Amino acid sequence: DAKTTQPTSMDCAEGRAANLPCNHSTISGNEYVYWYRQIHSQGPQYIIHGLKNNETNEMASLIITEDRKSSTLILPHATLRDTAVYYCIVLLYSNSGYALNFGKGTSLLVTP
Amino acid sequence: ETGVTQSPTHLIKTRGQQVTLRCSSQSGHNTVSWYQQALGQGPQFIFQYYREEENGRGNFPPRFSGLQFPNYSSELNVNALELDDSALYLCASSLGTGVSSYEQYFGPGTRLTVT
Repeated sequence: DAKTTQPTSMDCAEGRAANLPCNHSTISGNEYVYWYRQIHSQGPQYIIHGLKNNETNEMASLIITEDRKSSTLILPHATLRDTAVYYCIVLLYSNSGYALNFGKGTSLLVTP
Repeated sequence: ETGVTQSPTHLIKTRGQQVTLRCSSQSGHNTVSWYQQALGQGPQFIFQYYREEENGRGNFPPRFSGLQFPNYSSELNVNALELDDSALYLCASSLGTGVSSYEQYFGPGTRLTVT
């Protein structure tokens, strides 16, 4: 699986958009980008995933660059409850176990 | 809330002892994965079970073993506990194998402390 690079920490004001970047310059053509988050003292939570096209769901939007070497997770109107560690994971679908390889993620602090 | 439950919430064991952690998966899910999360680190994959068979394993020694039952609940067993086994143990359930398996729903975890 491709290696990802994320900033260690970010701040965002409540009500503003939070844009979390992820660099995955070694991604191959059939590897997917997944985002999870982990709120303190809870298990990780699935947010969104994509391959080439931008994706949107009720939680967030995922923007993947045309060359697929980076992506951005967008929380359109951040709330205090969005304070969490956000993990960008790049993986290849396979039949030998479906493991999520979490790195250290980005610690997002949403402030009032 | 994901519907994935784990027990116990917290556990304290002594080095050399054995421990069993339990997980009930979300209704309808037949795949269970276990992860270990050390303090300040991201979760690390231990192994995964699909329909009662091990379906993949991370870089963990054989003293980490598991079971999945016909109702898809699961156990994680760790023998000969070491101090470095102190961590949060997370269980995640998902549906089937393939694309949907990467949308995993995590429980709150069991905090294991080895003294």
